[in-house]
Amino acid sequence: QAVVTQEPSLTVSPGGTVTLTCGSSTGAVTSGHYPYWFQQKPGQAPRTLIYDTTNKHSWTPARFSGSLLGGKAALTLSGAQPEDEAEYYCSLSYSGTRVFGGGTRLTVL
Amino acid sequence: EVQLVESGGGSVQPGGSLRLSCAASGFTFSSYYMYWVRQAPGKGLVWVSHINGDGSNTKYADSVKGRFTISRDNAKNTLYLQMNSLRAEDTAVYYCASSCRDGTCPGWGQGILVTVSS
Repeated sequence: QAVVTQEPSLTVSPGGTVTLTCGSSTGAVTSGHYPYWFQQKPGQAPRTLIYDTTNKHSWTPARFSGSLLGGKAALTLSGAQPEDEAEYYCSLSYSGTRVFGGGTRLTVL
Repeated sequence: EVQLVESGGGSVQPGGSLRLSCAASGFTFSSYYMYWVRQAPGKGLVWVSHINGDGSNTKYADSVKGRFTISRDNAKNTLYLQMNSLRAEDTAVYYCASSCRDGTCPGWGQGILVTVSS
């Protein structure tokens, strides 16, 4: 089974920009992996931020964007807010199955 | 208002069975793939299974294949997960979640705890 890798932790200053990445043990991540990004705050259910690499949900804040970057899926947060402090997970599709990354703990400090 | 509400969790002994349900409302349930995702205490998210809109195609993680069965009843707007031969390592909060399409992600349920212990 493929392994999906994410940075264990990142820190961003309020108002700053940070990019979280999502890599695959099988090689470059492409749009065919249909990357999803999720945000989870302590004690809460996850919520979907980005789907199919770049698409946003109707409520996804404009400061979040998805892309492919250097063979990985990427989630960029531009203008970080204190409420963005959370765990972020990516998920990739492999021939119809899905694999989650281990998550990135984002601190806004 | 979009809602996904799980039920059916609880405590069970190893080898036992449970059936989770996820009642959906506020969106066209049959138009979306539906997922079960679990999270062991203090751990990350793990994909368990998913099913397509009409229920004709299902996929499972290797760890649950042959033990868990996903299904849906589009007339009742309900997703199910039949869990048999439960093991201690199946202990987790189980979430139901929808896929996304056309700018809409109906979302995730609040999660339900399944504890497998003797």
